[in-house]
Amino acid sequence: DIQMTQSPSSLSASVGDRVTITCRASQDISNYLAWFQQTPGKAPKSLIYSASNLQTGVPSRFSGSGSGTDFTLTISSLQPEDFSTYYCQQFYSFPWTFGQGTKVDI
Amino acid sequence: QVHLVQSGPEVKTPGASVKVSCKVSRYSLTALTIHWVRQAPGIGLEWMGGFDPEHDKIIYAQKFQGRLSVTEDTSADTAYMEMSRLRSEDTAVYYCATASDVCRRGVCRYYFDYWGQGTLVAVSS
Repeated sequence: DIQMTQSPSSLSASVGDRVTITCRASQDISNYLAWFQQTPGKAPKSLIYSASNLQTGVPSRFSGSGSGTDFTLTISSLQPEDFSTYYCQQFYSFPWTFGQGTKVDI
Repeated sequence: QVHLVQSGPEVKTPGASVKVSCKVSRYSLTALTIHWVRQAPGIGLEWMGGFDPEHDKIIYAQKFQGRLSVTEDTSADTAYMEMSRLRSEDTAVYYCATASDVCRRGVCRYYFDYWGQGTLVAVSS
Protein backbone atom coordinates (compact mmCIF):
# COMPACT_ATOMS: atom_id res chain seq x y z
CA ASP A 1 0.00 0.00 0.00
CA ILE A 2 1.13 3.57 -0.65
CA GLN A 3 1.74 5.46 2.59
CA MET A 4 0.85 9.15 2.71
CA THR A 5 2.59 11.31 5.31
CA GLN A 6 1.52 14.86 6.06
CA SER A 7 3.43 17.53 7.91
CA PRO A 8 2.93 19.20 10.19
CA SER A 9 0.26 17.30 12.14
CA SER A 10 -1.04 20.59 13.42
CA LEU A 11 -0.25 24.25 13.13
CA SER A 12 -1.39 27.49 14.65
CA ALA A 13 -2.01 30.47 12.41
CA SER A 14 -3.84 33.77 12.25
CA VAL A 15 -6.30 35.25 9.81
CA GLY A 16 -4.39 36.57 6.83
CA ASP A 17 -1.46 34.18 7.23
CA ARG A 18 -0.03 32.16 4.37
CA VAL A 19 -0.21 28.49 5.28
CA THR A 20 1.56 25.57 3.63
CA ILE A 21 0.92 21.88 4.30
CA THR A 22 3.07 19.16 2.81
CA CYS A 23 2.21 15.60 1.84
CA ARG A 24 4.70 12.91 0.91
CA ALA A 25 3.90 9.62 -0.81
CA SER A 26 5.94 6.48 -0.16
CA GLN A 27 6.29 5.96 -3.93
CA ASP A 28 5.83 7.92 -7.15
CA ILE A 29 2.15 8.72 -7.67
CA SER A 30 2.64 11.16 -10.56
CA ASN A 31 0.07 13.90 -9.89
CA TYR A 32 -2.75 11.64 -8.70
CA LEU A 33 -3.16 13.50 -5.45
CA ALA A 34 -6.23 15.13 -3.91
CA TRP A 35 -6.77 17.45 -0.95
CA PHE A 36 -9.78 17.66 1.35
CA GLN A 37 -10.96 20.02 4.08
CA GLN A 38 -12.97 18.78 7.07
CA THR A 39 -14.53 20.68 9.96
CA PRO A 40 -15.68 18.83 13.10
CA GLY A 41 -18.92 16.91 12.63
CA LYS A 42 -19.00 17.53 8.88
CA ALA A 43 -18.24 15.49 5.82
CA PRO A 44 -14.97 16.09 4.01
CA LYS A 45 -15.07 18.71 1.29
CA SER A 46 -13.09 18.13 -1.88
CA LEU A 47 -10.69 21.00 -2.57
CA ILE A 48 -8.14 19.92 -5.16
CA TYR A 49 -7.61 16.98 -7.50
CA SER A 50 -4.68 15.98 -9.70
CA ALA A 51 -2.38 17.91 -7.37
CA SER A 52 -3.28 21.38 -8.60
CA ASN A 53 -6.82 21.49 -10.02
CA LEU A 54 -9.37 23.31 -7.89
CA GLN A 55 -12.75 21.69 -7.47
CA THR A 56 -15.72 23.79 -8.58
CA GLY A 57 -16.50 26.57 -6.13
CA VAL A 58 -13.25 26.37 -4.17
CA PRO A 59 -11.79 29.83 -3.49
CA SER A 60 -8.67 30.80 -5.39
CA ARG A 61 -6.71 31.37 -2.17
CA PHE A 62 -6.29 27.56 -2.15
CA SER A 63 -3.64 26.13 -4.41
CA GLY A 64 -1.82 22.85 -4.78
CA SER A 65 1.43 21.81 -6.35
CA GLY A 66 3.79 18.90 -6.66
CA SER A 67 4.39 15.71 -8.57
CA GLY A 68 5.99 12.37 -7.92
CA THR A 69 6.24 11.99 -4.16
CA ASP A 70 6.13 15.53 -2.75
CA PHE A 71 3.10 17.78 -2.72
CA THR A 72 1.95 20.98 -1.05
CA LEU A 73 -1.34 22.66 -0.26
CA THR A 74 -1.11 26.42 0.19
CA ILE A 75 -3.69 28.82 1.56
CA SER A 76 -2.53 32.27 0.49
CA SER A 77 -4.47 34.30 3.06
CA LEU A 78 -6.13 32.30 5.81
CA GLN A 79 -9.79 33.14 6.42
CA PRO A 80 -11.84 32.33 9.56
CA GLU A 81 -13.70 29.55 7.74
CA ASP A 82 -10.41 27.85 6.83
CA PHE A 83 -9.67 26.69 10.37
CA SER A 84 -10.16 22.96 9.73
CA THR A 85 -8.35 19.69 9.29
CA TYR A 86 -6.84 19.00 5.87
CA TYR A 87 -6.17 15.59 4.34
CA CYS A 88 -4.26 14.50 1.27
CA GLN A 89 -5.15 11.30 -0.60
CA GLN A 90 -3.56 9.36 -3.44
CA PHE A 91 -5.72 7.93 -6.19
CA TYR A 92 -2.86 6.48 -8.20
CA SER A 93 -3.59 2.92 -7.18
CA PHE A 94 -5.88 0.85 -4.96
CA PRO A 95 -6.13 0.84 -2.03
CA TRP A 96 -6.63 4.58 -2.06
CA THR A 97 -4.90 5.98 1.01
CA PHE A 98 -5.11 9.20 3.00
CA GLY A 99 -2.63 11.18 4.99
CA GLN A 100 -3.18 11.40 8.72
CA GLY A 101 -4.44 14.98 8.55
CA THR A 102 -3.17 18.45 9.44
CA LYS A 103 -5.21 20.50 11.88
CA VAL A 104 -5.08 24.25 11.31
CA ASP A 105 -6.19 26.26 14.31
CA ILE A 106 -5.74 29.66 15.85
CA GLN B 1 -24.34 19.35 -8.76
CA VAL B 2 -24.73 15.86 -7.33
CA HIS B 3 -26.52 15.53 -4.00
CA LEU B 4 -25.98 12.46 -1.80
CA VAL B 5 -28.24 11.75 1.18
CA GLN B 6 -27.34 8.91 3.51
CA SER B 7 -29.52 6.92 5.90
CA GLY B 8 -29.69 7.70 9.61
CA PRO B 9 -27.51 6.59 12.52
CA GLU B 10 -27.38 2.95 13.57
CA VAL B 11 -26.61 1.20 16.85
CA LYS B 12 -25.57 -2.42 16.53
CA THR B 13 -24.33 -5.17 18.82
CA PRO B 14 -21.08 -7.02 18.06
CA GLY B 15 -21.54 -9.71 15.44
CA ALA B 16 -24.51 -7.98 13.79
CA SER B 17 -24.67 -6.51 10.29
CA VAL B 18 -25.45 -2.99 9.13
CA LYS B 19 -26.62 -1.63 5.80
CA VAL B 20 -26.18 2.06 5.01
CA SER B 21 -27.85 3.67 2.02
CA CYS B 22 -26.74 6.61 -0.13
CA LYS B 23 -29.49 8.19 -2.20
CA VAL B 24 -28.43 10.15 -5.27
CA SER B 25 -30.40 13.12 -6.51
CA ARG B 26 -30.01 15.55 -9.42
CA TYR B 27 -28.16 12.83 -11.32
CA SER B 28 -28.74 9.23 -12.31
CA LEU B 29 -26.74 6.69 -10.33
CA THR B 30 -25.83 4.97 -13.60
CA ALA B 31 -23.78 8.04 -14.53
CA LEU B 32 -21.82 8.01 -11.28
CA THR B 33 -19.06 6.03 -9.59
CA ILE B 34 -19.65 5.62 -5.85
CA HIS B 35 -17.11 4.74 -3.16
CA TRP B 36 -17.27 4.39 0.61
CA VAL B 37 -14.95 5.90 3.21
CA ARG B 38 -15.10 5.66 6.98
CA GLN B 39 -13.76 7.69 9.87
CA ALA B 40 -13.43 6.25 13.36
CA PRO B 41 -13.75 8.71 16.28
CA GLY B 42 -10.76 11.04 16.38
CA ILE B 43 -9.11 9.14 13.56
CA GLY B 44 -8.47 9.98 9.93
CA LEU B 45 -10.17 8.83 6.75
CA GLU B 46 -10.08 5.25 5.51
CA TRP B 47 -11.11 4.11 2.02
CA MET B 48 -13.27 0.98 2.13
CA GLY B 49 -14.31 0.11 -1.40
CA GLY B 50 -16.34 1.04 -4.44
CA PHE B 51 -16.80 0.58 -8.15
CA ASP B 52 -13.69 0.35 -10.33
CA PRO B 53 -14.80 1.39 -13.84
CA GLU B 54 -11.48 0.37 -15.36
CA HIS B 55 -12.15 -3.27 -14.47
CA ASP B 56 -15.95 -3.05 -14.31
CA LYS B 57 -16.15 -4.49 -10.83
CA ILE B 58 -16.47 -3.59 -7.16
CA ILE B 59 -13.12 -3.40 -5.41
CA TYR B 60 -12.61 -3.63 -1.63
CA ALA B 61 -9.83 -2.72 0.73
CA GLN B 62 -8.21 -5.95 1.81
CA LYS B 63 -9.04 -5.45 5.50
CA PHE B 64 -12.76 -5.52 4.66
CA GLN B 65 -12.70 -8.46 2.22
CA GLY B 66 -15.37 -10.96 3.15
CA ARG B 67 -17.21 -8.56 5.49
CA LEU B 68 -18.11 -5.71 3.18
CA SER B 69 -20.59 -5.62 0.33
CA VAL B 70 -21.15 -2.57 -1.89
CA THR B 71 -24.24 -2.71 -4.08
CA GLU B 72 -26.45 -0.42 -6.13
CA ASP B 73 -30.15 -0.22 -6.97
CA THR B 74 -30.15 1.87 -10.12
CA SER B 75 -33.96 1.95 -10.26
CA ALA B 76 -33.91 3.80 -6.93
CA ASP B 77 -30.70 5.76 -7.61
CA THR B 78 -29.38 4.39 -4.32
CA ALA B 79 -26.05 2.83 -3.38
CA TYR B 80 -25.59 0.59 -0.35
CA MET B 81 -22.76 -0.44 1.95
CA GLU B 82 -23.35 -3.53 4.06
CA MET B 83 -20.87 -4.75 6.64
CA SER B 84 -21.24 -7.97 8.55
CA ARG B 85 -19.69 -9.41 11.74
CA LEU B 86 -19.41 -5.96 13.27
CA ARG B 87 -16.84 -5.29 15.97
CA SER B 88 -16.47 -2.38 18.37
CA GLU B 89 -13.60 -1.11 16.19
CA ASP B 90 -16.12 -0.61 13.37
CA THR B 91 -17.69 2.26 15.28
CA ALA B 92 -17.25 5.13 12.85
CA VAL B 93 -18.93 7.61 10.55
CA TYR B 94 -19.40 6.07 7.13
CA TYR B 95 -19.42 8.28 4.03
CA CYS B 96 -20.39 7.66 0.44
CA ALA B 97 -18.70 9.79 -2.20
CA THR B 98 -18.77 10.14 -5.95
CA ALA B 99 -15.60 9.72 -7.98
CA SER B 100 -14.92 11.46 -11.28
CA ASP B 101 -12.31 10.47 -13.82
CA VAL B 102 -9.15 12.03 -15.09
CA CYS B 103 -7.75 10.23 -18.14
CA ARG B 104 -4.31 10.32 -19.62
CA ARG B 105 -3.04 8.26 -22.55
CA GLY B 106 -6.03 5.97 -22.35
CA VAL B 107 -5.69 5.28 -18.61
CA CYS B 108 -8.31 6.75 -16.31
CA ARG B 109 -8.07 7.30 -12.59
CA TYR B 110 -10.78 8.49 -10.25
CA TYR B 111 -10.86 11.24 -7.64
CA PHE B 112 -13.49 12.04 -5.02
CA ASP B 113 -15.73 15.02 -5.62
CA TYR B 114 -19.12 14.96 -3.88
CA TRP B 115 -19.73 13.49 -0.41
CA GLY B 116 -22.76 12.34 1.54
CA GLN B 117 -23.38 13.80 4.97
CA GLY B 118 -22.15 10.68 6.76
CA THR B 119 -23.83 7.94 8.81
CA LEU B 120 -22.73 7.12 12.34
CA VAL B 121 -22.60 3.40 13.06
CA ALA B 122 -22.03 2.60 16.72
CA VAL B 123 -21.16 -0.97 17.71
CA SER B 124 -21.56 -1.72 21.39
CA SER B 125 -22.73 -4.51 23.60
